[in-house]
Amino acid sequence: DTGVSQNPRHKITKRGQNVTFRCDPISEHNRLYWYRQTLGQGPEFLTYFQNEAQLEKSRLLSDRFSAERPKGSFSTLEIQRTEQGDSAMYLCASSLGGTSGRPQQFFGPGTRLTVL
Amino acid sequence: KNQVEQSPQSLIILEGKNCTLQCNYTVSPFSNLRWYKQDTGRGPVSLTIMTFSENTKSNGRYTATLDADTKQSSLHITASQLSDSASYICVVSGGSGTYKYIFGTGTRLKVLA
Repeated sequence: DTGVSQNPRHKITKRGQNVTFRCDPISEHNRLYWYRQTLGQGPEFLTYFQNEAQLEKSRLLSDRFSAERPKGSFSTLEIQRTEQGDSAMYLCASSLGGTSGRPQQFFGPGTRLTVL
Repeated sequence: KNQVEQSPQSLIILEGKNCTLQCNYTVSPFSNLRWYKQDTGRGPVSLTIMTFSENTKSNGRYTATLDADTKQSSLHITASQLSDSASYICVVSGGSGTYKYIFGTGTRLKVLA
């Protein structure tokens, strides 16, 4: 399967714990995006990488959230000191594009986080 | 403010019937518009993409239309099937800056036997 993969698919944690999610994009894609989606809502943008550079972060990305893409391939999203409000589906997407334009994004299956 | 609004919020139809979902946007400048299908518990999958110059695009039983003048798009599903039950999300690309994908909140479609 050469699509976008995310691990784990499900994560249950207790409030206050740290969690880390991984996203492996389509191999030749240089852009990688993280989104958060709550029930009944569309995806909300969190952050975006072009290669290893984090080009934009949403205001939703509080100081408890950090994302990295150290080698321009896979990315990790860490949430520190989780809160119940962090419970959501975390989606990753990737695309192939230059410095301009809005190429098609391919989404992974998501990681569903439940904070107890 | 760049926004994408979808209607209805949810829809229930019988198998075999047709339906139309609406998307209105206020994104400027406009680049393109995509419709995604999202099954429960899965990531969105692209159905169609349209640029400013295109006013209709089909993908099997799915037909999307775009009126760039009125900033409206619709997704028409013909002869619905049970497997069409999903959320349909309209995403408009545009605006300024390095990232600009504006997501609608989606229409949740339920097809009943």
